Amino acid sequence: DAKTTQPTSMDCAEGRAANLPCNHSTISGNEYVYWYRQIHSQGPQYIIHGLKNNETNEMASLIITEDRKSSTLILPHATLRDTAVYYCIVSPYNQGGKLIFGQGTELSVKP
Amino acid sequence: DTAVSQTPKYLVTQMGNDKSIKCEQNLGHDTMYWYKQDSKKFLKIMFSYNNKELIINETVPNRFSPKSPDKAHLNLHINSLELGDSAVYFCASSQTIAGTDTQYFGPGTRLTVL
Repeated sequence: DAKTTQPTSMDCAEGRAANLPCNHSTISGNEYVYWYRQIHSQGPQYIIHGLKNNETNEMASLIITEDRKSSTLILPHATLRDTAVYYCIVSPYNQGGKLIFGQGTELSVKP
Repeated sequence: DTAVSQTPKYLVTQMGNDKSIKCEQNLGHDTMYWYKQDSKKFLKIMFSYNNKELIINETVPNRFSPKSPDKAHLNLHINSLELGDSAVYFCASSQTIAGTDTQYFGPGTRLTVL
């Protein structure tokens, strides 16, 4: 079973920041937080991951709370092409790459 | 160049048949995976291979048999297909089995069992 809780759906206006929350209150010390997204009819795509520090790359920023029980994925300037299901995944470093996907958040970016 | 490719993209077949799905990655990765996404859109890992060795087998029925002839290929053979096998099957690869290595997914194979 997935160890994360995410809202089922969210809307965002094009050009605005999209903030996608994720709750992972039972996260263990050796578990990372990963974000993937799945655009309709495509395979999942990696976005970002982190352990306890905030992370930023060309796609997004990941903010992890100090107690690590929740995190937020930020898409700074959402575009229509960011419409997708976003998955927050918690998994240890040494579990052979096993990712357990939950239901994810369906993000709709609207013009 | 497609990083992770799968064939076929669509597969329609009758119950009881045997079918195979092929996956190839040109990224030079050591680890490959099979995931299943059912009609409710839940994505579940089935198998992973590292350097042609089975690492993860997630209580999948033994009608499903993965085969890795080399590091760049991971095929999935399914015997005696059942209605419940209808799903989208995704192949993925990563540099190593380390959880922090990005997994690159293929475009999926939509299997429909009639």
